[in-house]
Amino acid sequence: DAGVIQSPRHEVTEMGQEVTLRCKPISGHNSLFWYRQTMMRGLELLIYFNNNVPIDDSGMPEDRFSAKMPNASFSTLKIQPSEPRDSAVYFCASSSGTVVFGYTFGSGTRLTVV
Amino acid sequence: QQQVKQSPQSLIVQKGGISIINCAYENTAFDYFPWYQQFPGKGPALLIAIRPDVSEKKEGRFTISFNKSAKQFSLHIMDSQPGDSATYFCAASLLNQAGTALIFGKGTTLSVSS
Repeated sequence: DAGVIQSPRHEVTEMGQEVTLRCKPISGHNSLFWYRQTMMRGLELLIYFNNNVPIDDSGMPEDRFSAKMPNASFSTLKIQPSEPRDSAVYFCASSSGTVVFGYTFGSGTRLTVV
Repeated sequence: QQQVKQSPQSLIVQKGGISIINCAYENTAFDYFPWYQQFPGKGPALLIAIRPDVSEKKEGRFTISFNKSAKQFSLHIMDSQPGDSATYFCAASLLNQAGTALIFGKGTTLSVSS
């Protein structure tokens, strides 16, 4: 199994541009999570899906952020318009539905907004 | 989000020493407490976890101590090695709720000097 696959690994964009981050979870995992990591705030939960349905998006910082999961094998996190304070490492993780088996994280997307 | 508070933010330990990282939680309904380990450029990975029905769990050099009444738990790394140098995150969750999201602490960067 290739694990959770995130793309791109690095993204540099100008303020005001649209950014789309992509995630392919592990096949058979029915929960998917988007986290953001910064030095100041650590790992923040942005949104999570169960069986492709968004369960809790209360961590999404503002309306500029949106996430979709059109099917069990793909999810996107979109930022429009992007701002410098959105610079962070964004992680996608998937699990088999119960936390006891652990989350499998992707390698993350390092986003820099200039 | 329910908070999980982690300390210290960073820790330097000599090779062979004991590393101790502490966490405190607020939500008494939490019943699953994992620790994740993250190496540079990688996503976090499950290291060890505990449920509140036991006060201690040991796996090799890694031990979780749990104090339910104080709502605190800690990670002890015995005989710390340079290869243990990483960022460690504590987390908390509800075990028997499908798709439940882990709430992470802010992380502790551990450096083990040789």
